[in-house]
Amino acid sequence: QLQLQESGPGLVKPSETLSLTCTVSGGSISSTTYYWGWIRQPPGKGLEWIGSIYHSGSTYSNPSLKSRVTISVDTSKNHFSLILSSVTAADTAVYYCARLRMITFGGVVQPEWFDPWGRGSLVTVSS
Amino acid sequence: SYELTQPPSVSVSPGQTASITCSGEKLGDKYVCWYQQKSGQSPVLVIYQDSKRPSGIPERFSGSNSGNTATLTISGTQAMDEADYYCQAWASSTVVFGGGTKLTVL
Repeated sequence: QLQLQESGPGLVKPSETLSLTCTVSGGSISSTTYYWGWIRQPPGKGLEWIGSIYHSGSTYSNPSLKSRVTISVDTSKNHFSLILSSVTAADTAVYYCARLRMITFGGVVQPEWFDPWGRGSLVTVSS
Repeated sequence: SYELTQPPSVSVSPGQTASITCSGEKLGDKYVCWYQQKSGQSPVLVIYQDSKRPSGIPERFSGSNSGNTATLTISGTQAMDEADYYCQAWASSTVVFGGGTKLTVL
């Protein structure tokens, strides 16, 4: 059974860099059928997609965050990582990692749904 | 940018049918999936590719998608179905989530 686990500091100072890692167990991050993604959820609010990565290093990112986001993958460690720079209080959220299923739709391979999700990691931005 | 719109809240009596909508331009031309998120828990996929149920999801959960609206239907709603529900689609090379709907089982 595939499991994902987020890890990283729970507290980050404003203007500094948020860094999280998602470790995948029970399956290979090098699977050709999946991307791997980051999603966040501010307290009491909805879900926001941050970005996703393939084992080759190919990425998609939310345009609203793209200038501050770096997503990388380490297939030897079966994990992928998120770096979010220049954080503010608005970046306070639970950060989830999840597996993103790829399908062929209309002749195009595209990502479609997240399953499963990690348990989430609360990151608070505060001095 | 593409947007998905959901009603903030829906209420239903136990045993009745709950319908949660998700609207977006030409949404019927895309695949939609739905997530259930109970309080303090991670989201769980309940519907993918408009109407397919993952293994372990009860048959009372169903989905449809046509025109500009996708709908998640819960038949015979149970108290355990009380949760936030989010629709999601892939559009313009981005993942888009709806704002979420709080389902209350009264």
